[in-house]
Amino acid sequence: QSVLTQPPSASQTPGQRVTISCSGSSSSIGSNSVNWYQQLPGTAPKLLIYNNNQRPSGVPDRFSGSKSGTSASLAISGLQSEDEAAYYCAAWDDSLNGPLFGGGTKLTVL
Amino acid sequence: EVQLVQSGAEVKKPGESLRISCKGSGYSFNNYWIGWVRQMPGKGLEWMGIIYPGDSDTRYSPSFQGQVTISADKSISAAYLQWDTLKASDTALYYCARRAANPGRFDYWGQGTLVTVSS
Repeated sequence: QSVLTQPPSASQTPGQRVTISCSGSSSSIGSNSVNWYQQLPGTAPKLLIYNNNQRPSGVPDRFSGSKSGTSASLAISGLQSEDEAAYYCAAWDDSLNGPLFGGGTKLTVL
Repeated sequence: EVQLVQSGAEVKKPGESLRISCKGSGYSFNNYWIGWVRQMPGKGLEWMGIIYPGDSDTRYSPSFQGQVTISADKSISAAYLQWDTLKASDTALYYCARRAANPGRFDYWGQGTLVTVSS
């Protein structure tokens, strides 16, 4: 079964740094690039990071992504209250022959 | 400006049929795949399928194959998601999204269409 595994929740205080992990397999993250989406409450997902570590125009450099083997991470530094959202990793999966999403991590800014 | 605008919320009864839409603007609609993503209440994102409006080439996630139909009308820059027989378990928020050059990436999203199926 194709799965991307994320922790269901994370929390940190304003100004601090938080990382969110995403674990996949050889057919997903191991073979393809990782994208991250931010979903603010009551809104549609928004592309936050693509190709493992690239930021679309307009995304602050407080957000960064990395990938190693079959895992990836999203880091948010200088945490702000408006960063409180759900974050999803995603990657193409060769077995599914389609994109796979992680279960999402709800970030709480304390 | 790239925009994907979806049709409004729907309330249906089990057994009824439904088609929701997604209209693109601000880019060459025919040349980008459009995907559909389900988000059940309080849950994560699930890829349902994808269509290339230029030639209506369509792919489905195994989980949704046979459960829904994805189509497109390139003359009006619209993509559709259709159910023939709705079930209560189809209650969810449905998003359309434009797939970027990288097949795993959706760079623009619609605002979502809430479908409620209840007797």
